[in-house]
Amino acid sequence: KAGVTQTPRYLIKTRGQQVTLSCSPISGHRSVSWYQQTPGQGLQFLFEYFSETQRNKGNFPGRFSGRQFSNSRSEMNVSTLELGDSALYLCASSAGPGDRDGYTFGSGTRLTVV
Amino acid sequence: AQSVTQLGSHVSVSEGALVLLRCNYSSSVPPYLFWYVQYPNQGLQLLLKYTTGATLVKGINGFEAEFKKSETSFHLTKPSAHMSDAAEYFCAVSVRGSTLGRLYFGRGTQLTVWP
Repeated sequence: KAGVTQTPRYLIKTRGQQVTLSCSPISGHRSVSWYQQTPGQGLQFLFEYFSETQRNKGNFPGRFSGRQFSNSRSEMNVSTLELGDSALYLCASSAGPGDRDGYTFGSGTRLTVV
Repeated sequence: AQSVTQLGSHVSVSEGALVLLRCNYSSSVPPYLFWYVQYPNQGLQLLLKYTTGATLVKGINGFEAEFKKSETSFHLTKPSAHMSDAAEYFCAVSVRGSTLGRLYFGRGTQLTVWP
């Protein structure tokens, strides 16, 4: 079956702009979580959605937001981009939150802010 | 909050040598434990996981890990390294029985394999 699909793969934006990233989970998976990966901070949890509800949120400013649609696809948005937002953004899906089978990750979206 | 420590940010081995990547967690209740591998410019791929049952778990590509509750450890091993094993490895945990979906990651270990 198809894996987790993230679009776009690469993105270059200018400071102050906003960006929207998309994630399509594995068919049947209802939980989607997002992570930011940078060399300095490693993998940091952004938020998690289940059944269109944000159930868990990491320690990021309000410029980072997300949503989940009824088909479980998720988007995350970053407004007023800063240079420090340059990172690999990873999406992960699971059957449900806390699923013992673990999480399947997409290939990520590489965001560069200039 | 959960905490995951990976000892050694860089590990180098020769091809054919034993690979040992260390992971310790801090939790009073044993969490679910995972090892992921990341190749350059790619996402994370699940190598193996421990949730319950046998404490020695086998994963893909010849890797295995042993859960040791007394040591709060989940070290990853492979008897004989291959050049294709060169990648970054992440240990992760999630709270057992939690309904909040979240993984807590270690800082990662970059594995280099010399010919």
